[in-house]
Amino acid sequence: NAGVTQTPKFRVLKTGQSMTLLCAQDMNHEYMYWYRQDPGMGLRLIHYSVGEGTTAKGEVPDGYNVSRLKKQNFLLGLESAAPSQTSVYFCASSHPNQPQHFGDGTRLSIL
Amino acid sequence: AQSVTQPDIHITVSEGASLELRCNYSYGATPYLFWYVQSPGQGLQLLLKYFSGDTLVQGIKGFEAEFKRSQSSFNLRKPSVHWSDAAEYFCAVGLYNQGGKLIFGQGTELSVKP
Repeated sequence: NAGVTQTPKFRVLKTGQSMTLLCAQDMNHEYMYWYRQDPGMGLRLIHYSVGEGTTAKGEVPDGYNVSRLKKQNFLLGLESAAPSQTSVYFCASSHPNQPQHFGDGTRLSIL
Repeated sequence: AQSVTQPDIHITVSEGASLELRCNYSYGATPYLFWYVQSPGQGLQLLLKYFSGDTLVQGIKGFEAEFKRSQSSFNLRKPSVHWSDAAEYFCAVGLYNQGGKLIFGQGTELSVKP
């Protein structure tokens, strides 16, 4: 049982490059989330989705876009990467009103 | 605005000693509260949750937490710490009228002395 799987696990980008982070869950969860984790700041919500085809902004959405075309997948895109987006990114999923399950994270460095 | 505060950035305890990690929240309605643990290089694992009912909740690995509405607190406790408990601990409030999103505290890093 894989749970929440994030791809890739590590990535180094140059400023201005674009990339997409993939999150896949096999628990048939309705809700999915993208967070970023920075030292001393805990996790902050970037975007989230309460169902296929729907997305909403979180606390820190600027510079990111998301899509939820299939229930099991939630994609996070960086159109033009900036050094301030160097972070560890976590995806999570849940049933409504239930605890979230987290992936192992993607470490992203932008030079 | 909703917020979660973990006053202690880093705590060191001796193996076998008791532990209490503090968490204070700001939220207008009845909160859903969580404690998660993160080992280095890993994702977050749920330790315990409070949704309603008994204010003392039991979790995995021998942890417990007590919800005190009057103090807006949800402190995590363990009577005897093991070396394997060294990790970072996060308290979070769940906003179930806003798509279930979590507001996290800054985290408390726990070190365990032999």
